[in-house]
Amino acid sequence: QVHLVESGGGLVKPGGSLRLSCAASGFTFGDYYMSWIRQAPGKGLEWVSYMNGGTATFYADSVKGRFTISRDNAKSSLYLQMNSLRAEDTAVYYCAKTGSGSCFNIWGQGTMVTVSS
Amino acid sequence: QSVLTQPPSVSAAPGQTVTISCSGSSSNIGNNYVSWYQQLPRTAPKLLIYDNNKRPSGIPDRFSGSKSGTSATLGITGLQTGDEADYYCGTWDSSLRAVLFGGGTNLTVL
Repeated sequence: QVHLVESGGGLVKPGGSLRLSCAASGFTFGDYYMSWIRQAPGKGLEWVSYMNGGTATFYADSVKGRFTISRDNAKSSLYLQMNSLRAEDTAVYYCAKTGSGSCFNIWGQGTMVTVSS
Repeated sequence: QSVLTQPPSVSAAPGQTVTISCSGSSSNIGNNYVSWYQQLPRTAPKLLIYDNNKRPSGIPDRFSGSKSGTSATLGITGLQTGDEADYYCGTWDSSLRAVLFGGGTNLTVL
């Protein structure tokens, strides 16, 4: 069964850093694009970043230069390094397996990131 | 304000049919595949439709998707109270080089 589990969320001060992880199971991880999507409290979905099975990466303008997506195919894990965090980065962060037409066909349960002093 | 425009809310009675629209432009919906997601309260989103009109396994045929020009539509027939949720459209934007989501539509089954 395909499964994604995020971890690493928490409370961080503005300007701080946090690293999110996503552990995947049930599929050949390295064969698929993987993504991060976030949802601020009471708001809609916002795509953050995705990465192909190798090294190609794409970012939303709102996080470009501050966030870095990476993956370890041997460990079936996806990561999001978040630096220079701002209050507006406060959200639930979801990891998602990415399929045809940039669809997100499997989602994790999400991990909450709160940026506050 | 989202680049993809959805109505904030729709409602219909149990057993009825509802449609949710998603309006974009030639750089996104007009030239790329559209997907649709259902987010039940306090849960992660779930993929309902991909590649404009395809359903993943396990999604009932009460849910359908279509696209015409720069707009897409999600249809739900035989509404059930369990369909009450937020629904989002999504697609790639070739100019922005980014994935876009609509602002979401809250469905109430009266």
